[in-house]
Formats: sequence, C-alpha cells, structure tokens
Amino acid sequence: EPEVTQTPSHQVTQMGQEVILRCVPISNHLYFYWYRQILGQKVEFLVSFYNNEISEKSEIFDDQFSVERPDGSNFTLKIRSTKLEDSAMYFCASNTGTSGYEQYFGPGTRLTVT
Amino acid sequence: AQKVTQAQTEISVVEKEDVTLDCVYETRDTTYYLFWYKQPPSGELVFLIRRNSFDEQNEISGRYSWNFQKSTSSFNFTITASQVVDSAVYFCALSENYGGSQGNLIFGKGTKLSVKP
Repeated sequence: EPEVTQTPSHQVTQMGQEVILRCVPISNHLYFYWYRQILGQKVEFLVSFYNNEISEKSEIFDDQFSVERPDGSNFTLKIRSTKLEDSAMYFCASNTGTSGYEQYFGPGTRLTVT
Repeated sequence: AQKVTQAQTEISVVEKEDVTLDCVYETRDTTYYLFWYKQPPSGELVFLIRRNSFDEQNEISGRYSWNFQKSTSSFNFTITASQVVDSAVYFCALSENYGGSQGNLIFGKGTKLSVKP
C-alpha cells in the first residue's frame, strides 16, 4: 500500500540554524500539507500546497517557513532560523484533492532545537 | 470560526469495557467533513473514519462505531469491548469544503485513552 514517507525521523539542530524537512507524498496525490504537533498538544495545520503554490497557510507559517516541491516527488519544509519553540513533531500529509477524502499522514519528523 | 472540542482529556478503562470519546465541532459551512485519527504511542497518525456533513448515518466497523448528530454538532466515537491495543490518543478533526477539494484539518486537542488489562 502506498504511503507518505518523511526524512529524517529525528533532527537535532541548534537555535538559529536552518533545517529542511523532507517528505515524499503518495505519487498520484495532488494536495500536500504540513502540520506540527508540539509535544503533548494537538496537531496544528501549517500550510497546504497545490499546483506548485501555497493554497492556504496558518498564522504559525510566518516568514521563517517556506515550502517547496523541488522535483516530481519531494515536498520540503524549510525553517530558516530555528527557535526553541519550533521543537515539535512535523507531519507531512497528502491527498488526492477529491473533496472529502482523507489526508494520509507520514510518520513525522521530530525536530529538537537546542 | 472552525473549532473542534474534545472535552475528555484522558480516559482510563479496564479491558472489555465500552468507551465513548466525545467530539463537538463548530463550523459556519454547510458542507464539511469530520474525521477521527488514532495516534498510538509510536506517534504516527492513523486514519480511522471520515464523514461528510450530508451523511448522518452512523457507522460501525468491527468494535468501532461512530455517531454523527448534526443537531448537536457532535461526532462521537465508541469502542466496544476495549483492548489494550486501543490505548492511544484519539483526535477528532474537521475540514471545510475549500474550492471544491478538501481544506486543511482542524484538530481537537485529543483524548488519551488508556486501556488496562
């Protein structure tokens, strides 16, 4: 069964450093998403991406964040200058774009900013 | 504004007990979608069910059942004869219709279910 994959599973970085989190969505999916979950809290939407551009973003997704689909398979989230409060689990998700269909989530990348 | 409320933060039951997880949502849209996801201790998010706003039929899948009531804006989840493997955090989520395709998910805070042997 096709699945969303994410790398790395765990990333440790120092405050102020740039990080890139990588995702490979399911191949025939058209919509891509990033969510984050601070430890012990709820899952929060960051951004959605369709047709090579951002379709929606939350207040969390400020100028420090960017997304890109550099080729036909990868979908990346970049944090330019990490802060301690960026420490969280970051989930990538994708779906076909058909109304009402579930989003398939990757296993997540745990980002620790020290 | 869209909002999902899961009032139960933690529930603890003994194996074989039935348990109901509550979910109440708020939306101004007439077309929307509701979901339940399971997050086991390993951390991944596992899709359980989706419901659209036009389908109020309750659904049963094995030991799982869902009760969708638009009149009370609720989408409750019941596990019958709970098992230790059901121990997880369960999230209810809402998505509004967005340009004809599914928008982002708004999650509740989750209910942590502990099933003891």
